[in-house]
Amino acid sequence: AQSVTQPDIHITVSEGASLELRCNYSYGATPYLFWYVQSPGQGLQLLLKYFSGDTLVQGIKGFEAEFKRSQSSFNLRKPSVHWSDAAEYFCAVKGSGGSNYKLTFGKGTLLTVNP
Amino acid sequence: NAGVMQNPRHLVRRRGQEARLRCSPMKGHSHVYWYRQLPEEGLKFMVYLQKENIIDESGMPKERFSAEFPKEGPSILRIQQVVRGDSAAYFCASSPRRTSLFFGPGTRLTVL
Repeated sequence: AQSVTQPDIHITVSEGASLELRCNYSYGATPYLFWYVQSPGQGLQLLLKYFSGDTLVQGIKGFEAEFKRSQSSFNLRKPSVHWSDAAEYFCAVKGSGGSNYKLTFGKGTLLTVNP
Repeated sequence: NAGVMQNPRHLVRRRGQEARLRCSPMKGHSHVYWYRQLPEEGLKFMVYLQKENIIDESGMPKERFSAEFPKEGPSILRIQQVVRGDSAAYFCASSPRRTSLFFGPGTRLTVL
């Protein structure tokens, strides 16, 4: 069964600092990987996704993520964080086989941005 | 193109009452998914529907929960005889095919 681990429950960074949120997945074949962001009381917005090809994926709001098969990781990065980036971030994996519609989410990383 | 719409956004029920959550997918999307988010947890898959068909309900509790996506109208997630443990945020998502999901704003259910 597929699974996602986000090791950091809560991260605090200063505005303007760089950011990396970790995500490790478990899936037997080539996974489809996603990062979503959830602002308080809101739904989930897709930041970026990886299906195949270039392992460095660019997303919205200046975010990027790198797929590393050898480490089973899909870490999210941003070179300079803005106060509006404060939110909860979820990594998710979807299989490429028969159940290729079912997203499995990590428990999320809450990002706090200090001025 | 309006996004996925869910209503109500907030729903309060007393134990034993019924909760009906509605989801209107994005235009042109025939695939609907329901996920539940418990406090301090990620989202958990509940059910996947295509028009008039339940494709996979493996994540939905066997009792008290049901879902439908009729030919006309929104998808409905129905919870009968709610209990406190049903308090959660329920998110609907839609997609045109089995590709990227677009999520709605969620319905936050509180059971008193």
